[in-house]
Amino acid sequence: GQQVMQIPQYQHVQEGEDFTTYCNSSTTLSNIQWYKQRPGGHPVFLIQLVKSGEVKKQKRLTFQFGEAKKNSSLHITATQTTDVGTYFCAGIKAAGNKLTFGGGTRVLVKP
Amino acid sequence: SAVISQKPSRDICQRGTSLTIQCQVDSQVTMMFWYRQQPGQSLTLIATANQGSEATYESGFVIDKFPISRPNLTFSTLTVSNMSPEDSSIYLCSVQTGQGASNEKLFFGSGTQLSVL
Repeated sequence: GQQVMQIPQYQHVQEGEDFTTYCNSSTTLSNIQWYKQRPGGHPVFLIQLVKSGEVKKQKRLTFQFGEAKKNSSLHITATQTTDVGTYFCAGIKAAGNKLTFGGGTRVLVKP
Repeated sequence: SAVISQKPSRDICQRGTSLTIQCQVDSQVTMMFWYRQQPGQSLTLIATANQGSEATYESGFVIDKFPISRPNLTFSTLTVSNMSPEDSSIYLCSVQTGQGASNEKLFFGSGTQLSVL
């Protein structure tokens, strides 16, 4: 079956630094979504990428969809304590209809 | 968008008992889903709750263990039956508010944290 993997599993970041988390699928995706889950909270939709090579920005967050539509990345610049949480990617297989979540990257920020 | 009320928010249950979780949405929605999130883990889809018909279960989940109801377009319940400690997890209700296309974003309820002793 389809597998979506995220690395790293944990990310300890010094406040103010940048970091990137990666999402890789075993199959080609029709689109990919990113969610953020704060500690003790529920996942909240951040963005969806559909086109090959697509790049979208939300303030300090930059999302990219790979050319082959099998991987994606989330880059956060100038990390803040409000960025703490787990970031999940979730992909839909090409010609499929089910969203498969990656394992998530748990981000901890050191002030 | 959708506002989802899920209850209970948490419960501690005895082995062998059952717990029913309720999910109420503030508007009619096309698709409703139930997810499980084990501690520190990702989200696993249990089933799609279908209005007026039996839920569609994912591999590894069966109706006898996780019966689901969806009597209308704004409400669904998930029952965790004959519980064991392995069922300790967070259970999340999720909805799509559009036409039901697979690429629509999900809105999640606040979750039910279940602990089974």
